[in-house]
Amino acid sequence: SQTIHQWPATLVQPVGSPLSLECTVEGTSNPNLYWYRQAAGRGLQLLFYSVGIGQISSEVPQNLSASRPQDRQFILSSKKLLLSDSGFYLCAWSVQGYGYTFGSGTRLTVV
Amino acid sequence: AQKITQTQPGMFVQEKEAVTLDCTYDTSDPSYGLFWYKQPSSGEMIFLIYQGSYDQQNATEGRYSLNFQKARKSANLVISASQLGDSAMYFCAMREGHYGQNFVFGPGTRLSVLP
Repeated sequence: SQTIHQWPATLVQPVGSPLSLECTVEGTSNPNLYWYRQAAGRGLQLLFYSVGIGQISSEVPQNLSASRPQDRQFILSSKKLLLSDSGFYLCAWSVQGYGYTFGSGTRLTVV
Repeated sequence: AQKITQTQPGMFVQEKEAVTLDCTYDTSDPSYGLFWYKQPSSGEMIFLIYQGSYDQQNATEGRYSLNFQKARKSANLVISASQLGDSAMYFCAMREGHYGQNFVFGPGTRLSVLP
């Protein structure tokens, strides 16, 4: 069966520090992978998506970046975090024509 | 323009009653999919129900049903016999095209079930 792992679950980071959030998928191959951010009490904002290794599309310009070094691995990074980067980050995967399956999320607080 | 509109930021319902959460969408693509997700306070996103644009019948999944009115571009979620565990945020989402890459999410509706 397909599963998606996302870690860490919570993270508190100082302003200006780097960030690395990892997401891995099991039980499927060549999935579409997504990073979403959700500000407190708000909807989901698509940040990045990837349809294959090394292929990254950015939806919102910001100081975040994404990489897909392996078929089932998707990484969200930042070199220097801002206060406005605080939020709930969700990784998701899908197979074409079907819905999303989400990871359990990472709650990031930048202090 | 908003592609997914959820006009109810918050809803209350009495336990065991039915509740309808509204969702309207905007697309010119004849092929699309509509989804509802539940997000409890833990933050995880739980898939509830799916309706394809060419589906002739309204989708149902247990206590969840989707009232799909294509001409009005609405896809309301109906929860029957509400339970306390149904208290959560509910998001309507749309995938444009059968193989569309991305989903568009609505702003969500917070449902509170009262004992």
